[in-house]
Amino acid sequence: AQRVTQPEKLLSVFKGAPVELKCNYSYSGSPELFWYVQYSRQRLQLLLRHISRESIKGFTADLNKGETSFHLKKPFAQEEDSAMYYCALPNAGGTSYGKLTFGQGTILTVHP
Amino acid sequence: NAGVMQNPRHLVRRRGQEARLRCSPMKGHSHVYWYRQLPEEGLKFMVYLQKENIIDESGMPKERFSAEFPKEGPSILRIQQVVRGDSAAYFCASSPVQGAGSNYGYTFGSGTRLTVV
Repeated sequence: AQRVTQPEKLLSVFKGAPVELKCNYSYSGSPELFWYVQYSRQRLQLLLRHISRESIKGFTADLNKGETSFHLKKPFAQEEDSAMYYCALPNAGGTSYGKLTFGQGTILTVHP
Repeated sequence: NAGVMQNPRHLVRRRGQEARLRCSPMKGHSHVYWYRQLPEEGLKFMVYLQKENIIDESGMPKERFSAEFPKEGPSILRIQQVVRGDSAAYFCASSPVQGAGSNYGYTFGSGTRLTVV
């Protein structure tokens, strides 16, 4: 069964410091991974997806198939980055194709 | 396009009452997904529906929970005889085609926060 693990429930950094939110997955096949962000009491928003290899709000994430990881990184954290971050994996196929498997989420707090 | 609309935003129910949560997908989206976010936990898939059909309800509790997406009107997640453990945020997402991994993406609503007292 596919699985997404975010080992850190809470992560605190100071403004301007680098930040890395960890995500590991288990999946048979070639995965497609996402990072979603949820600012306080707002809807989940797609932050980035690995196939587009883009940088959004200074965040990047690289898929490492050898380590089965998709860590989210930003070189200089900002206070407005404080939010809940979810790593997610779509199901492979069949009737389950529509759904996402989410990690447990990491609450990032950026201190001034 | 107003996006995915969920109402109410907040719902308080006494134990034993029924809770009805509504989700209006984005215009042109015929695929609806419900997720539950329990306190201190991540999001868990509940059910995937298309118009008039339940495609995957593997995440739905066996009792008291039901979902529908009629030909006309919003998708409804219904919880009968609510208990304190049902207190959570319930999120709906929609997409125009099957699959969160499609290029069309997956849009979430703002959620309904259910509190059972």
